[in-house]
Amino acid sequence: DAMVIQNPRYQVTQFGKPVTLSCSQTLNHNVMYWYQQKSSQAPKLLFHYYDKDFNNEADTPDNFQSRRPNTSFCFLDIRSPGLGDAAMYLCATSKSFWDEQYFGPGTRLTVT
Amino acid sequence: AQRVTQPEKLLSVFKGAPVELKCNYSYSGSPELFWYVQYSRQRLQLLLRHISRESIKGFTADLNKGETSFHLKKPFAQEEDSAMYYCALIRGNTGKLIFGQGTTLQVKP
Repeated sequence: DAMVIQNPRYQVTQFGKPVTLSCSQTLNHNVMYWYQQKSSQAPKLLFHYYDKDFNNEADTPDNFQSRRPNTSFCFLDIRSPGLGDAAMYLCATSKSFWDEQYFGPGTRLTVT
Repeated sequence: AQRVTQPEKLLSVFKGAPVELKCNYSYSGSPELFWYVQYSRQRLQLLLRHISRESIKGFTADLNKGETSFHLKKPFAQEEDSAMYYCALIRGNTGKLIFGQGTTLQVKP
């Protein structure tokens, strides 16, 4: 009955090697979010989609991009990962901006 | 600036003791506040939100606009309440959750 699925759960990439993280949802929610959570820190929003409308947070590095090809899927692309990008990446969805956000289990990214 | 502050990184209590996890916020306008919880090896999930005024798993939280607080309370802690608790507010019409730093609640037997 998983509602927000993230693949893979663990990802190891090399410094500078592009990587893509995947999120899918079975809730048919309009909004999908990507958060970055570093060790012992709170989740921090990177960007979100409302349907196909993309909104990037002002302090999200250019290195981070996202795609949402359809309602169910959303991808996080890191073009040239640095050591500082090692973190847990959380995907979340909500029906609207004011509704509860449903989180996926996260993908832990390691950069070597 | 919008900000959420949780002053305690760790709160340790014995089973059956009352619990209060503190949360203060700064926000211009009417805030929409939430408590999210993350149990060990589980995903982050909503515990409660202030507009619903519900008691979930025995927890309640009251919005105090005068003190800009939204403390989470439970009269008798259970071991299964041990988890990381995040207080959060939503920024305007963006859905952006602004989280506090989180408080780890440890309930000892």
